[in-house]
Amino acid sequence: DSGVTQTPKHLITATGQRVTLRCSPRSGDLSVYWYQQSLDQGLQFLIQYYNGEERAKGNILERFSAQQFPDLHSELNLSSLELGDSALYFCASSSLAGPSETQYFGPGTRLLVL
Amino acid sequence: AQSVSQHNHHVILSEAASLELGCNYSYGGTVNLFWYVQYPGQHLQLLLKYFSGDPLVKGIKGFEAEFIKSKFSFNLRKPSVQWSDTAEYFCAVTYFGNEKLTFGTGTRLTIIP
Repeated sequence: DSGVTQTPKHLITATGQRVTLRCSPRSGDLSVYWYQQSLDQGLQFLIQYYNGEERAKGNILERFSAQQFPDLHSELNLSSLELGDSALYFCASSSLAGPSETQYFGPGTRLLVL
Repeated sequence: AQSVSQHNHHVILSEAASLELGCNYSYGGTVNLFWYVQYPGQHLQLLLKYFSGDPLVKGIKGFEAEFIKSKFSFNLRKPSVQWSDTAEYFCAVTYFGNEKLTFGTGTRLTIIP
């Protein structure tokens, strides 16, 4: 158990819908990262927040957005869902921000878009 | 663009065999290197990491990796694998000034009892 929690574990929804994925980082960690794991794209970085502020952006679609709240939990919002958005979405956290920081991963949310 | 290559997509070994999984990264200056493991149905777990110093890094569960700067490589090794090592292994890199992990495509390791 890494100490990072994600809810829900599984999510099944229809095309065009909107969903929210939630992540609670390890106690004391200020930095939160979101990654998408799919069969065709592998593990891809989406976005990073540090202490409530967006710090880095990766290959995140405009239909996707995220935020980090004052209690440091984060939410990833996916809207106008398409079949290709079906994937495993991981959240990770680290104590601080920096390239040498170890990122600890949560169990993931498996999203299936029908 | 920064990238990580894992040339072995699926490796099948018998128990007690030695393991070496390849990882090469594209040049980008100062790097930090990681190996993560994903057991079936579980989340990614850190096996080991290299930031600086001794290029031979020891991790958990008997794994080690060697950073060879001239070859842009960070291969993962284990002298004797066990059935419980069956999992997917991911090499990842962060580059100086950039905290996002760039992952390789992963290597699926199957250990036959």
